[in-house]
Amino acid sequence: GAVVSQHPSWVICKSGTSVKIECRSLDFQATTMFWYRQFPKQSLMLMATSNEGSKATYEQGVEKDKFLINHASLTLSTLTVTSAHPEDSSFYICSAPSGRAYNEQFFGPGTRLTVL
Amino acid sequence: QQQVKQSPQSLIVQKGGISIINCAYENTAFDYFPWYQQFPGKGPALLIAIRPDVSEKKEGRFTISFNKSAKQFSLHIMDSQPGDSATYFCAASIGAAGNKLTFGGGTRVLVKP
Repeated sequence: GAVVSQHPSWVICKSGTSVKIECRSLDFQATTMFWYRQFPKQSLMLMATSNEGSKATYEQGVEKDKFLINHASLTLSTLTVTSAHPEDSSFYICSAPSGRAYNEQFFGPGTRLTVL
Repeated sequence: QQQVKQSPQSLIVQKGGISIINCAYENTAFDYFPWYQQFPGKGPALLIAIRPDVSEKKEGRFTISFNKSAKQFSLHIMDSQPGDSATYFCAASIGAAGNKLTFGGGTRVLVKP
């Protein structure tokens, strides 16, 4: 299957700092990527759709100034959590459509963010 | 409003048994239904997917059954193994597999040896 990577796999930061998470499609190009957050023992909640060459589309209730998304190239999208607070601690996961036969979405391994 | 409802929340099955997870959706515009498997601390991995033009799809020990009129679909894991112990999510999207997914709440499956 198609490979999506994320970096870092985990990060611990102090309250008030900003954290950047990268999502890369390693063996395919993705004009669209998706960002999710997942709390323990809960489902994935879509935060936003990252679009290469244009602004991201945010889901209702997601603060666009808080969660900055930049789709810098056809293989890279970044999520920056600005002025992070403990309630932002979560598991952040990205996905990308493979562009292959059935255009299935493949997920990255996730990034665990802990804000102290 | 939860558009995809998944049940049960958790499931315990003996090794060799059958695990059955059910999902129901509300939006009749959904036309792509994948299932994902997630291990703790990892991202979801695509298991199997179905479109509404077929009623069943089988890949190895995993089978999806789809009932369009009832707006329901289910995952059957045959000959369940301890390595199948994970959380399973159903999902649905509109228009194409590459469009945004709406996830069910997840089912934690424990396969006892």
